[in-house]
Amino acid sequence: DIQMTQSPSSLSASVGDRVTITCRASQSISSYLNWYQQKPGKAPQLLIYSASSLQSGVPSRFSGSGSGTDFTLTISSLQPEDFATYYCQQSSSTLWTFGQGTKVEIK
Amino acid sequence: EVQLVESGGGLVKPGGSLRLSCAASGFTFSNAWMNWVRQAPGKGLEWVGRIKSKTDGGTTDYAAPVKGRFTISGDDSKNTLYLQMNSLKTEDTAVYYCATHDFYWGQGTLVTVSS
Repeated sequence: DIQMTQSPSSLSASVGDRVTITCRASQSISSYLNWYQQKPGKAPQLLIYSASSLQSGVPSRFSGSGSGTDFTLTISSLQPEDFATYYCQQSSSTLWTFGQGTKVEIK
Repeated sequence: EVQLVESGGGLVKPGGSLRLSCAASGFTFSNAWMNWVRQAPGKGLEWVGRIKSKTDGGTTDYAAPVKGRFTISGDDSKNTLYLQMNSLKTEDTAVYYCATHDFYWGQGTLVTVSS
């Protein structure tokens, strides 16, 4: 199975900050990497697919980059509604695996 | 618009069985590969299993913790996906989500395994 390692597991940031979350795959997954946002009690929402493509309706302050084994999710200017948990997911294998999540909290 | 609506969750005793359903609309269900993903309380996301479309063989794959106990099936005439869960354990307690292979998700249904 492909293992996904996210860092950090949590972070504290202020509104307006630039936030970066990283995800590393245990083997090359090309660009088959997706990012989700999840708020308490809600289903995960797709933000980024294929490493860098913005899902329709997602604000442009979210961006993704990377290929192979190393990937990054960046929020250019953190907004109040962005405080949530973020997960990476590989879809290179039809057997999905997820990172352990990054909780973004208010400083 | 793609819609996925899970149902069938509830409280069940260890060793018991439960069948979850996922009603799909807004896409051609018979052509879709479908997944189940779960999330234990306060924990991260865990892929449970996947079924390919019948045109792609209709085969299933499962995560190691549920293999041999859970079975995924689909009814193309009803546009519905199922997850049959047998020999349930307390560690199967989670919200269960169905998801298409192109990343549309339902809202989830809670399964609690407790005596």
